[in-house]
Amino acid sequence: AQTVTQSQPEMSVQEAETVTLSCTYDTSESNYYLFWYKQPPSRQMILVIRQEAYKQQNATENRFSVNFQKAAKSFSLKISDSQLGDTAMYFCAFMKLYYSGGYNKLIFGAGTRLAVHP
Amino acid sequence: NAGVTQTPKFQVLKTGQSMTLQCAQDMNHEYMSWYRQDPGMGLRLIHYSVGAGITDQGEVPNGYNVSRSTTEDFPLRLLSAAPSQTSVYFCASSLQGGPEAFFGQGTRLTVV
Repeated sequence: AQTVTQSQPEMSVQEAETVTLSCTYDTSESNYYLFWYKQPPSRQMILVIRQEAYKQQNATENRFSVNFQKAAKSFSLKISDSQLGDTAMYFCAFMKLYYSGGYNKLIFGAGTRLAVHP
Repeated sequence: NAGVTQTPKFQVLKTGQSMTLQCAQDMNHEYMSWYRQDPGMGLRLIHYSVGAGITDQGEVPNGYNVSRSTTEDFPLRLLSAAPSQTSVYFCASSLQGGPEAFFGQGTRLTVV
């Protein structure tokens, strides 16, 4: 069974600085996706970034980038130039890739609550 | 451009009461699912469906019932509410094979 671990329950950062959120996972699969979701106080689940395991290049989306270390089973999220609107709960999630059949369920970590201070 | 719509957004139930959480999507997605979110545990899969008439259990199915008569709708039924079912519930949908899941706004349920 796959597991996802986020070891930092809470973090804080000053506005405009950089912060890195950690995530490790355990799986015997070779084909899968990894995700970071943001959950602001509105409760909405917002996809921040996605990484396909077969791609060696780290995904980036504007101020958000990941450090994907497949052998170490590590998937950290770096937020550059932090903004007040980045204040949220962040979830790391794993999804096994099925080529035919099978349900692509998400397995979530416990989350990291990030506070951005002015 | 509704996406995934959940109703209600908030609900308070008494122990033993039953209710149905509604979920509808307008993206013609084959896959739909229900997750619950609890502090310190992330989101966990309750039930899922890969198409109309097909449902299956997830990680934490006890106390919940689902059915899927149409592609658009996937209601979650609490048969006899218990305080342990106090949680935030999310409905999600995706295309077959995903990978991106689209979430509803969530329902905060309190059982007293």
